[in-house]
Amino acid sequence: DAKTTQPPSMDCAEGRAANLPCNHSTISGNEYVYWYRQIHSQGPQYIIHGLKNNETNEMASLIITEDRKSSTLILPHATLRDTAVYYCIVRVNFGNEKLTFGTGTRLTIIP
Amino acid sequence: GAVVSQHPSWVICKSGTSVKIECRSLDFQATTMFWYRQFPKQSLMLMATSNEGSKATYEQGVEKDKFLINHASLTLSTLTVTSAHPEDSSFYICSARDTGTRTKEEQFFGPGTRLTVL
Repeated sequence: DAKTTQPPSMDCAEGRAANLPCNHSTISGNEYVYWYRQIHSQGPQYIIHGLKNNETNEMASLIITEDRKSSTLILPHATLRDTAVYYCIVRVNFGNEKLTFGTGTRLTIIP
Repeated sequence: GAVVSQHPSWVICKSGTSVKIECRSLDFQATTMFWYRQFPKQSLMLMATSNEGSKATYEQGVEKDKFLINHASLTLSTLTVTSAHPEDSSFYICSARDTGTRTKEEQFFGPGTRLTVL
């Protein structure tokens, strides 16, 4: 699986949009971008994933650049409950099913 | 989303004893489950891949005789930490893959088990 690079920490004001970047410059054509988050002392929670098109669900939006070398996870209206470590992971969607977690971004929502 | 449970949620044991952690998929079948370990302020590290009815596949550096994995049914995998020592104290997390792949995310994580070895 390709490696990802994320900033170690970010702050965001409550109610504002949180934009979390991820670089994955060595991503292969068949690798998807996945985002998970982990709230303190809990198991990771799936957020969203995509291949090359932008994706949106009830939790977040995922913007993938045209060259697929980077992406941004957007939490449109951050709440205090969004404080967590966010992991960007790239992997193929079949065959090797492992999720390789990097160090992630610790997002703190400020009241 | 699908639910994965772990039991116990926390356990304290004496050095030298064995501890068994259960991982259950509550509303779906899982032919594959994964076991992770997370030390404080660190990321999750995959320990092994558990396949129903066959031997687990361990990651490099993980002792298979120390971390025994059994996946006897489509809804249950167990991790037994044998002869636990203080350095085994960690947060153990399992995840399960929905065999039916009815959801895009494929893997669902349990809430974790915090093991403290005295």
